[in-house]
Amino acid sequence: DQQVKQNSPSLSVQEGRISILNCDYTNSMFDYFLWYKKYPAEGPTFLISISSIKDKNEDGRFTVFLNKSAKHLSLHIVPSQPGDSAVYFCAASDKETSGSRLTFGEGTQLTVNP
Amino acid sequence: DGGITQSPKYLFRKEGQNVTLSCEQNLNHDAMYWYRQDPGQGLRLIYYSQIVNDFQKGDIAEGYSVSREKKESFPLTVTSAQKNPTAFYLCASMARAGVLANEQFFGPGTRLTVL
Repeated sequence: DQQVKQNSPSLSVQEGRISILNCDYTNSMFDYFLWYKKYPAEGPTFLISISSIKDKNEDGRFTVFLNKSAKHLSLHIVPSQPGDSAVYFCAASDKETSGSRLTFGEGTQLTVNP
Repeated sequence: DGGITQSPKYLFRKEGQNVTLSCEQNLNHDAMYWYRQDPGQGLRLIYYSQIVNDFQKGDIAEGYSVSREKKESFPLTVTSAQKNPTAFYLCASMARAGVLANEQFFGPGTRLTVL
């Protein structure tokens, strides 16, 4: 049972345009969401997070939006740069485990073309 | 420099052999985690530990074992009972378990190939 789903395995955008990565979840106990970026053969690095009490969090070129009623979050990257090309994972933390563990989506491979 | 180290980067083993993957952190984090990543799949949790001398099974614990004798160290043993051990293994740590707004920090990973 995949509780966090990233339905797009890949996304390709032009440099300078907006990248929108999507994530859906099913567990209503999820209360905190994170995005990680991963290059091949490296560990993921934390990008941005959002608590369920907010609907938007912004950090430079990265903005995460949360729609609790739809159980959907998205990561916007504006403007996209070639160095943003990586796999992006969304992850969720739930109240039941008090944030002790994360559930990850399958990842979306973003390619930003020069 | 504070961080998480995993060694070795690449590991080859013959089928039927147990192998232990190392994970060390000097971030003074309480919680540590082991994940595996397979092509086209997300990170799946194998085991995690919120405190020294305690650990819990994750979603895919069968064929793996761990120990947490020291705060800094959380080695993972891939046993011969693991049906499909070839994968990329990631170790992570988190400052304090039980705190919701809390990110995990990851090591560089170990690529295990069983021949």
